[in-house]
Amino acid sequence: EIVMTQSPATLSVSPGERATLSCRASQSVSSNLAWYQQKPGQAPRLLIYGASTRATGIPARFSGSGSGTEFTLTISSLQSEDFAVYYCQQYNNWPPCTFGQGTKLEIK
Amino acid sequence: EVQLLESGGGLVQPGGSLRLSCAASGFTFSSYAMSWVRQAPGKGLEWVSAISGSGGSTYYADSVKGRFTISRDNSKNTLYLQMNSLRAEDTAVYYCAKVDYCSGGSCHWYFDLWGRGTLVTVSS
Repeated sequence: EIVMTQSPATLSVSPGERATLSCRASQSVSSNLAWYQQKPGQAPRLLIYGASTRATGIPARFSGSGSGTEFTLTISSLQSEDFAVYYCQQYNNWPPCTFGQGTKLEIK
Repeated sequence: EVQLLESGGGLVQPGGSLRLSCAASGFTFSSYAMSWVRQAPGKGLEWVSAISGSGGSTYYADSVKGRFTISRDNSKNTLYLQMNSLRAEDTAVYYCAKVDYCSGGSCHWYFDLWGRGTLVTVSS
């Protein structure tokens, strides 16, 4: 089973600044990586798939990059609604798909 | 409107059973693989089980294999999860999720639509 490790566990950033979240896979997952956003009391929402393709309706300030074992989610200019928990998920080696433990993005 | 709506959660004693349902609307249900993902209180996401669009292929996490059964009724646009021999560690919000893309029998197992979840609590 592929283990996904996200860092940092918590990231404190001011509104308007850039946030960079990392995700590492224990072995290569090619570009088969997705990112999700989850707000308290809500279901996860798909942001990015294929490591870098934005899902429908996702603002351009969200971007994904990487391949193999190292991935990054960048939010270029944080809005108030972006403060949430973010999860990465690999779907290259199936089953199972596996999620990272999450990064909490909080207001500085 | 495209949506998923879970139901069937509740409080159950250890060793008991529960059946979750997920009603789909707004898309051609039978064309898409579906999955269950759970989240224990204050914890991260854990994939539980998945099923192909036809229902002919099913997949399970090791943690639930032999205890949970996933199924679907395409005539009713509904996904199910039968949970037996429940344990305290099965306590979680269970989400129904739609797989975004399958082609030629191969799927990209990420999830583009999620329900709001249903809470399962296993406790005596």
